[in-house]
Amino acid sequence: GAVVSQHPSRVICKSGTSVKIECRSLDFQATTMFWYRQFPKKSLMLMATSNEGSKATYEQGVEKDKFLINHASLTLSTLTVTSAHPEDSSFYICSARDVRGKRGYTFGSGTRLTVV
Amino acid sequence: KNEVEQSPQNLTAQEGEFITINCSYSVGISALHWLQQHPGGGIVSLFMLSSGKKKHGRLIATINIQEKHSSLHITASHPRDSAVYICAVSGTGNQFYFGTGTSLTVIP
Repeated sequence: GAVVSQHPSRVICKSGTSVKIECRSLDFQATTMFWYRQFPKKSLMLMATSNEGSKATYEQGVEKDKFLINHASLTLSTLTVTSAHPEDSSFYICSARDVRGKRGYTFGSGTRLTVV
Repeated sequence: KNEVEQSPQNLTAQEGEFITINCSYSVGISALHWLQQHPGGGIVSLFMLSSGKKKHGRLIATINIQEKHSSLHITASHPRDSAVYICAVSGTGNQFYFGTGTSLTVIP
């Protein structure tokens, strides 16, 4: 079935550094991938929609210069948290939709980011 | 008011019990999704449905489009079913609305 691989699963970084999170569709092509953030005991919040070969579409209130998204191929999207601060600590998760549309949305396993 | 409401928020059941989680939504949808999130955080898509009923093993999902309501049933619950179950709806385009989840604990 459709599989999305997200890496790393956990990362701890120092304030001021940048962290890159990768989201790969392993057995299907995804022209569109989605990046979500989840706060403790809260629902998933859409941050941005990543489109292959074009600029990402960011949701209101999400800083595009802080959360850089690159979708350079049909199977890879990356989210870079730049100049990370402790308030960026969260659970980030990606999803992708199989272009064939049959399997709905497939989610990555998520990345737990802790900024110290 | 959230576009997607789930109930209950928390549920504890004895192993073997029949479990029902409910989801109501207020927007027009193209499909409704049931997701499972384990303590480690990873999310698994259980069902995507736009009408009727789907069954996979001990899991059954139903949807009533007219009433804008869906239920997820778990038969013969097991401790490994313990997780957060999330209802989500996809609208037109790439809109996606999530419920806040139901935390299920199945006690041996």
